[in-house]
Amino acid sequence: ETGVTQSPTHLIKTRGQQVTLRCSSQSGHNTVSWYQQALGQGPQFIFQYYREEENGRGNFPPRFSGLQFPNYSSELNVNALELDDSALYLCASSFWDRVSYEQYFGPGTRLTVT
Amino acid sequence: GDSVTQMEGPVTLSEEAFLTINCTYTATGYPSLFWYVQYPGEGLQLLLKATKADDKGSNKGFEATYRKETTSFHLEKGSVQVSDSAVYFCALQYTGTASKLTFGTGTRLQVTL
Repeated sequence: ETGVTQSPTHLIKTRGQQVTLRCSSQSGHNTVSWYQQALGQGPQFIFQYYREEENGRGNFPPRFSGLQFPNYSSELNVNALELDDSALYLCASSFWDRVSYEQYFGPGTRLTVT
Repeated sequence: GDSVTQMEGPVTLSEEAFLTINCTYTATGYPSLFWYVQYPGEGLQLLLKATKADDKGSNKGFEATYRKETTSFHLEKGSVQVSDSAVYFCALQYTGTASKLTFGTGTRLQVTL
């Protein structure tokens, strides 16, 4: 069984540019969540997609947007990059086990904005 | 709002020592509680979970009990190994729309020989 994969591994962008990060969910998982983890902090919820629809959003501005595709893979897009967007971006796929949504994380994309 | 508070690290222990990492939460309802572990340069791995009061989650020698009366979910292990060195995150989750995880800031554990 293939786990959650993310690409690219590392990325360096300049302030004001746009970036797209990609995530392939684990087989059988129809829900994808994105998190931002700043250095030395816990992950912060950006948004979640369920069956190609946004299913909830954290406290992030509209320049953070996403997509989910019919195969449940997902993209995170960030426009007008700011220095504070430098972080590890984590994707997590999940399924309902009748009690909770266990979320399985990918290795992350390290974004550096200069 | 909901929040998770963890003890500050780093926690430095000798191999075979007893480990406790404290975690308390603030929540309006009855969330599920999780511990995740992050090894250097990697994403997060689910370590254990508990979904209701008095449940005990356990995995790989780690345990944590969901204590509703003290709003706590402390992580324990009887004998740590060097390979347990990592950052540990406590998190809560409500089941429903956008079952997001709310994380603490993490506790770094360093185990030495």
